Amino acid sequence: GDSVTQMEGPVTLSEEAFLTINCTYTATGYPSLFWYVQYPGEGLQLLLKATKADDKGSNKGFEATYRKETTSFHLEKGSVQVSDSAVYFCALSDTGANSKLTFGKGITLSVRP
Amino acid sequence: DTEVTQTPKHLVMGMTNKKSLKCEQHMGHRAMYWYKQKAKKPPELMFVYSYEKLSINESVPSRFSPECPNSSLLNLHLHALQPEDSALYLCASSQDRGQGRGGSTVQYFGPGTRLLVL
Repeated sequence: GDSVTQMEGPVTLSEEAFLTINCTYTATGYPSLFWYVQYPGEGLQLLLKATKADDKGSNKGFEATYRKETTSFHLEKGSVQVSDSAVYFCALSDTGANSKLTFGKGITLSVRP
Repeated sequence: DTEVTQTPKHLVMGMTNKKSLKCEQHMGHRAMYWYKQKAKKPPELMFVYSYEKLSINESVPSRFSPECPNSSLLNLHLHALQPEDSALYLCASSQDRGQGRGGSTVQYFGPGTRLLVL
């Protein structure tokens, strides 16, 4: 079945540091890939998405590229802020009849001033 | 507008109580979802409605009873819950290409209802 693997956390960075959060996936067919962010005490917000190979999703300074050859969708940001502290979930959605989301375990990012 | 609203924000209930969670969206989405999220875990899918019909039930205990009265509303009726059912309950919605066809579309989540069962 489909699966998403995220790097182990938590991750603690200083403000303005470079961020990379690794995500790899296993899926049949051609899934869409997503990054969702969950701020403390809130629901999930879509951060960015990519629907086909080599697509680059970007939002709020975050970027991720759909790499079919390495089955990866790593999240990057050049300069993190304290306000980026949250839990980040990588997810995929297949194109089958169910449209189910498969989530990674999530990773907690803490950014220090 | 990509807003999904949920009420109440917080709920405390005893094991003999009956309560309901409500979810609403006005994006014209025809697929709606209930998820359960425990602390420090990803959301777990419970139910999917497509065009107001239940299309997926992930073997959820019968003490959880979903209802989709119309295309904008989704309810989750709770009865005789257990303390281990305490969690954040998230609603989501998405476009749907049509019954049985699905399609990979973005799910938009509400802020959730934080439920505590005593």
